[in-house]
Amino acid sequence: QLQLQESGPGLVKPSETLSLTCSVSGGSISSSSFYWAWIRQPPGKGLEWIGSIYYSGSTYYNPSLESRISISARTSKNQFSLRLSSVTAADTAVYYCARDAILDSFDSWGQGTLVTVSS
Amino acid sequence: DIQMTQSPSSLSASVGDRVTITCRASQGIGNDLGWYQQRPGRAPRRLIYAASALQSGVPSRFSGSGSGTEFTLSISSLQPEDFATYYCLQHTSYPYTFGQGTKLEI
Repeated sequence: QLQLQESGPGLVKPSETLSLTCSVSGGSISSSSFYWAWIRQPPGKGLEWIGSIYYSGSTYYNPSLESRISISARTSKNQFSLRLSSVTAADTAVYYCARDAILDSFDSWGQGTLVTVSS
Repeated sequence: DIQMTQSPSSLSASVGDRVTITCRASQGIGNDLGWYQQRPGRAPRRLIYAASALQSGVPSRFSGSGSGTEFTLSISSLQPEDFATYYCLQHTSYPYTFGQGTKLEI
């Protein structure tokens, strides 16, 4: 059974960098069949795709965030990570990691982690 | 970017009702569409992929149809646990985009 678990600080100060890690168990992020994605949801609002990474390191980012984001993978630990720089209150959201089944979209999700941007 | 427009944004219904939610894409996406259910405080759960394929473990009262630019999610006989928010997602091209959501309420 595939499981994804987000981890990282729940509170980040404005202008600083948000860093989250997704730990994957029950499957390998080195599989050629999947990308691995970050998605976020501001409180009371809808879902926004942030970006995806392939085990080879290829990445795809949402242009609305591209100048501030970096997604990386650590295959030896079966983890992938998100860094979002220069955060503001608008980046307050529940951040989810998910498996992106190529051609079939997000088939498994982590439980999500709330990140609040506040001084 | 491909815009996904869901309607209605909210819907009131009763247990046993049949309901339909529509998602329109701003350009053709073939059948690269999924439907997700999100209960309060929970992660989204995929119900339908490839526009009409039922995710394993999802009750058969859920069904999806459509291709190109117009898609529907139908629930044939609402159960209490179906009252949630539903999202469509296009994954034919980056950036992937979600519909704004449909809140299904009693």
